[in-house]
Amino acid sequence: DSGVTQTPKHLITATGQRVTLRCSPRSGDLSVYWYQQSLDQGLQFLIQYYNGEERAKGNILERFSAQQFPDLHSELNLSSLELGDSALYFCASSAETKHPDTQYFGPGTRLTVL
Amino acid sequence: AQKITQTQPGMFVQEKEAVTLDCTYDTSDPSYGLFWYKQPSSGEMIFLIYQGSYDQQNATEGRYSLNFQKARKSANLVISASQLGDSAMYFCAMRKTGTASKLTFGTGTRLQVTL
Repeated sequence: DSGVTQTPKHLITATGQRVTLRCSPRSGDLSVYWYQQSLDQGLQFLIQYYNGEERAKGNILERFSAQQFPDLHSELNLSSLELGDSALYFCASSAETKHPDTQYFGPGTRLTVL
Repeated sequence: AQKITQTQPGMFVQEKEAVTLDCTYDTSDPSYGLFWYKQPSSGEMIFLIYQGSYDQQNATEGRYSLNFQKARKSANLVISASQLGDSAMYFCAMRKTGTASKLTFGTGTRLQVTL
């Protein structure tokens, strides 16, 4: 158990809908990363938050947004869903204060868009 | 930009044997870290081992060791005494040292341990 929690574990929805994925980082970790794992794109970095502020952006679509709340949990919002958004979405956290600053991953949310 | 290459899509190893999973990387960052993660069929990503670019010794964690050859830009994972539970996807990843640093992943190697 990495200490990172993600809910829900599975999500099935229809095209055009909006969903919210939730992540709670490990105790004490200030940084949260979101990654998408799909068959065709592999593991791709989406976005990072550090202590409530957006720190870095990767290949995140405009239909996707995220935020990190004062209690450090993070939510990834996916809207106007398309079939191609079906993927495993991971949240990872790190302390950003100590070497080597390993990112620990949550169990993932498997999103299926029908 | 950083790039990780894993050229072995699939590997087989017999139980109790050692196996090496290959990873080469490319980066212009002077300081970076290399990571290996295991993804069993259940889907979670499990951190295995880390190697820093300035570390003088190869990293080891139990049955896992990292064969780091900086000049060749390779960071191969060696699993000794393979067990059936080692059957999984293995991903090599890297990040530059410092904050705001995403992980860049390779495409992974699927390892199957046989009796």
